[in-house]
Amino acid sequence: GAVVSQHPSWVICKSGTSVKIECRSLDFQATTMFWYRQFPKQSLMLMATSNEGSKATYEQGVEKDKFLINHASLTLSTLTVTSAHPEDSSFYICSARKELAGEVDTQYFGPGTRLTVL
Amino acid sequence: KQEVTQIPAALSVPEGENLVLNCSFTDSAIYNLQWFRQDPGKGLTSLLLIQSSQREQTSGRLNASLDKSSGRSTLYIAASQPGDSATYLCAVGFWAGGTSYGKLTFGQGTILTVHP
Repeated sequence: GAVVSQHPSWVICKSGTSVKIECRSLDFQATTMFWYRQFPKQSLMLMATSNEGSKATYEQGVEKDKFLINHASLTLSTLTVTSAHPEDSSFYICSARKELAGEVDTQYFGPGTRLTVL
Repeated sequence: KQEVTQIPAALSVPEGENLVLNCSFTDSAIYNLQWFRQDPGKGLTSLLLIQSSQREQTSGRLNASLDKSSGRSTLYIAASQPGDSATYLCAVGFWAGGTSYGKLTFGQGTILTVHP
C-alpha cells in the first residue's frame, strides 16, 4: 500500500499565529513530497516541492519565508504557515512520491488540512 | 507552458446515464496521468492511474483512456449513480527534461451531479 497522512485535519487559529501541518508517508519512504493549496471551488495549486535533507523548491509567487517547509526524514515533511492571516485560510494537501522499481514514480495524496484563520 | 484543461466545467445528468469527462494537455511529454475524485470539503481519492505507455485503465464502472499524441484523456463513467456526484480532477505528470520527473499539473475539474 501507499498511505499518506496529514495532521491536523483541520485547524482554526487567530491572525498572527503560526500553524504547523505534518505530512507523513506511513508505509514507504519518500525523498520528495509536495505541498498544494486549494481555495474554494478552485483546483489544486502546487506551492512547493519538499526534498529530504535539502531546501524546498518554491513555485513562483509563493513566499518561502511565509510558508516554511522542513523535510527532516524520509517519512515526514512539515509546512509551517508563519504569522497566518485570513487570506491564508485554505485547504492544504500534501503528496509523497513513491519510487517504484522498474515503474514510473507515483504521487500519493494526504487527506488534506483545512486551515481557518480568524 | 504545460497546461491541463478539463471540459465541461460542470455536468448534470439523470441517474443511469453513461457519461464522458474530458481532459486535454498541451505537452505530450508526460510520464503519467491520474484521475481523482474529490467530495466537497474532502481530500482526493485516486480513481485511475495511466502510465504514459498505456492506452487505458479500467476499474469497475470507470474507464480512462489516454492519447498522448493528441494530448487527450477521457474518463468514462457507465451507469451513473447519485453517489458519483463529486468533482473529478485530471492531473498530468509532465517530464521536467530528460528522465527528470516534473510536477503534477491539475485541471480545474468537472463538477458532476447525478440526480435521481
